[in-house]
Amino acid sequence: KAGVTQTPRYLIKTRGQQVTLSCSPISGHRSVSWYQQTPGQGLQFLFEYFSETQRNKGNFPGRFSGRQFSNSRSEMNVSTLELGDSALYLCASIWGETQYFGPGTRLLVL
Amino acid sequence: AQSVTQLGSHVSVSEGALVLLRCNYSSSVPPYLFWYVQYPNQGLQLLLKYTSAATLVKGINGFEAEFKKSETSFHLTKPSAHMSDAAEYFCAVSEGYNQGGKLIFGQGTELSVKP
Repeated sequence: KAGVTQTPRYLIKTRGQQVTLSCSPISGHRSVSWYQQTPGQGLQFLFEYFSETQRNKGNFPGRFSGRQFSNSRSEMNVSTLELGDSALYLCASIWGETQYFGPGTRLLVL
Repeated sequence: AQSVTQLGSHVSVSEGALVLLRCNYSSSVPPYLFWYVQYPNQGLQLLLKYTSAATLVKGINGFEAEFKKSETSFHLTKPSAHMSDAAEYFCAVSEGYNQGGKLIFGQGTELSVKP
């Protein structure tokens, strides 16, 4: 089976812009989670989707949002980007209690 | 609330030496526990997981971990380090899929392997 795909892999934006990141889970997996990884805060949970419904959300401002489509692909959006949003954004494909991570999207906000 | 503590942000061993990376957790319910490895500029790769079956869990690349409920620990070991083991390692805890798929991660331990 193909692994988790995240696009794009690298992204440079400026403050105030918005960005959309995409994640395709492993075939057959219906649940996806998103994490932000920064040197200062480490790995932090953003949200989790199952069958197009957000089931859980981390402690992030409303500028961070996501959605899941009927084919289980997921997108996350960050509006009004801030310098502190520079991070590696990781998507995980969930099967049972196990999460399988993609390669991540590295976002740099200038 | 769940939490994970990884003792030592940086561990250095010689090639061929024992690798021991420490992880302690807190959870109000029987947890699911995981170790992930991250190589530079890559995502997280699952090394092994504890899901309430055997307390000694064997993973990929010769790693294993032992769940000790009395010590709330899930330390990762490998008998003989290889240069290719140099990476960052993360311990994570979950209260289970029905709790909304949220993993709580430790701060990570960077493993260096000296020739």
